[in-house]
Amino acid sequence: GQQLNQSPQSMFIQEGEDVSMNCTSSSIFNTWLWYKQEPGEGPVLLIALYKAGELTSNGRLTAQFGITRKDSFLNISASIPSDVGIYFCAGQPYTSGTYKYIFGTGTRLKVLA
Amino acid sequence: GAGVSQSPSNKVTEKGKDVELRCDPISGHTALYWYRQRLGQGLEFLIYFQGNSAPDKSGLPSDRFSAERTGESVSTLTIQRTQQEDSAVYLCASSLKWSRGGTNTQYFGPGTRLTVL
Repeated sequence: GQQLNQSPQSMFIQEGEDVSMNCTSSSIFNTWLWYKQEPGEGPVLLIALYKAGELTSNGRLTAQFGITRKDSFLNISASIPSDVGIYFCAGQPYTSGTYKYIFGTGTRLKVLA
Repeated sequence: GAGVSQSPSNKVTEKGKDVELRCDPISGHTALYWYRQRLGQGLEFLIYFQGNSAPDKSGLPSDRFSAERTGESVSTLTIQRTQQEDSAVYLCASSLKWSRGGTNTQYFGPGTRLTVL
């Protein structure tokens, strides 16, 4: 199925470092969602974005809806060990007749204490 | 319940058998989505429901896969004549509405891990 381009695929960082990941699409999206998934669990919503240019924070997390509506990024500041997991972006294409979501391939984050 | 629930949490079946996976969405959520996640992969859209109807089934991999929803609540995903390639985690999500904007935010269940031997 169709998937978004999400990068990087994986990251190994030191505790306290900042993290940045992004998603890009060839088509316009109406909504961008960022999720975190831990082993054996379903994805948990972190941040939701609904307007082009929107910048939203949730604690140490900040995400932005790109002006072109074809991309989004997620930043994590001052990473801690519990940030470990897989981060997924999800977008809702601007396509009439469907409200499905397309998911990125995920960024696997490992934090070294 | 407070969140999306799915059952069973794990299902092991033999190749060729049929399986039924169940999803109970958050109460009052009118939109419901099914996804498949293979080991180490992202989420693959299968189907979504607006109320009891499914306007987009484009993600169902083959005619062995079907889903229904009744009473704008529970949904079941059925896989007939299972194959080893069907082994994956099947995730369900619900949202308040299917329209664009804040009411379309999805909340996920824990998934059903299906293993086809």
